[in-house]
This record gives sequence, structure tokens and C-alpha cells, in this order.
Amino acid sequence: QVQLQESGPGLVKPSETLSLTCTVSGGSISSYYWSWIRQPPGKGLELIGYIYYSGSTNYNPSLKSRVTISVDTSENQFSLKVTSVTAADTAVYYCARGLVGVNHNYYFDYWGQGTLVTVSS
Amino acid sequence: SSELTQDPAVSVALGQTVRITCQGDSLRRYYASWYQQKPGQAPILVIYDKNNRPSGIPDRFSGSSSGNTASLTITGAQAEDEADYYCNSRDSSGNPHVVFGGGTKVTVL
Repeated sequence: QVQLQESGPGLVKPSETLSLTCTVSGGSISSYYWSWIRQPPGKGLELIGYIYYSGSTNYNPSLKSRVTISVDTSENQFSLKVTSVTAADTAVYYCARGLVGVNHNYYFDYWGQGTLVTVSS
Repeated sequence: SSELTQDPAVSVALGQTVRITCQGDSLRRYYASWYQQKPGQAPILVIYDKNNRPSGIPDRFSGSSSGNTASLTITGAQAEDEADYYCNSRDSSGNPHVVFGGGTKVTVL
């Protein structure tokens, strides 16, 4: 059974960089699209971006200038950095495993439990 | 704003059938997937590739699609089905970007 676990600071100051890591267990990080998705309190889901195990990335256009996703296949981990954070970046951050479907759609079959990151001074 | 539109809330009597819809131009080209999220929990995939259920998802959950609308149907809703439901798909531009609907709160009466 594949499991994902987010880790990182729960509190980040405005203008600083949010950094999270997702550790994958129970399966290899090779293949699949490793994704970060966030959910502001009381709101819906938003894809931040994803990385293929080979290192190619795709980011949400609205966040692209501030986001970097990287992968460490030797550690079975992938990471997220969001720079210049504001209160609007306060959210539960989920890591998830993404797959491409039969007509090139994307979906997410395994999710981490999520970690709340609050941006506040 | 989301490129996939969902009704904010629907209600269903215990044991009855409820259909949740997701509308968007991208659904003419790409299948929707559906997720169930209960309070304080991570989303769970319930339908992918239009009408496939992951292992462990009850067969009362089914998916369908027509034109620009995808639907998730719960046949014989149970109390434990009360949750938020989100659809997702590729965006309409064809870029490899994924969008989510705004979510539908399902209340089982």
C-alpha cells in the first residue's frame, strides 16, 4: 500500500519561503506524476504543480513564478518551495500521486494526510 | 476562478439516489475524476477515467459523461456518503494543467 507523508514547518512568516517534503513509502517514486495540491481553510482544492520522476515539471500558471518542485529518487521524496508567501498562501498542503488516464486526463490516486501551513508574523 | 463548475450543495434522503454534476469545456475532450472529502480528512479518489472505481470504493458510486458535463451518481446513498465531492480534469487549453471544480457538499437526510 502506497503511503505519502508531508513534513515541514507549520508556520511561515510573510515574504519568506515555504518548504515542504513528501516521503513516499510502500512503492517506488519511479513513474507517476508527484503532485502538490493545496486547500485554503473552508475552500476548494487547487493544484500547485507536479513533477514526473524524471524531473520534468508543470506548475499552475497562477503560481508558476513562485513555485519549485523537485524530486529525490534516492530518498523516495519530492519537495515543494513557494517563495514570497503571503496570508493568501495559508492552506492545508497535500502531496499526491498522479496518473495519466486513458484519454490523457490526470487524476490522483494516493494522497498524504495534509499539513496546515499558516503564513503569519 | 475554476474552469469546472459544480453546484455548491445538494441533499438526498437516506437510501435514495443523488447525481452531482461538473460542467466545463475541457470535459468535451477529457474524462473527469471524482474525489470524496470528509471534514478534516484528505480527499479520496472514488471515480477515474469516467466510470472506473478504485479498489474499496462501493459500487453505489458511478460516473458518466455527456457533452461538457460529467456526473457522479450515488445510488442508495448512505449516511457515510455525506461529504464534499470534487471533480477534476485537464484544463480546456490542452496544456498539461489540472483543474478542480469548486466542490459540492452532499447532505444525507
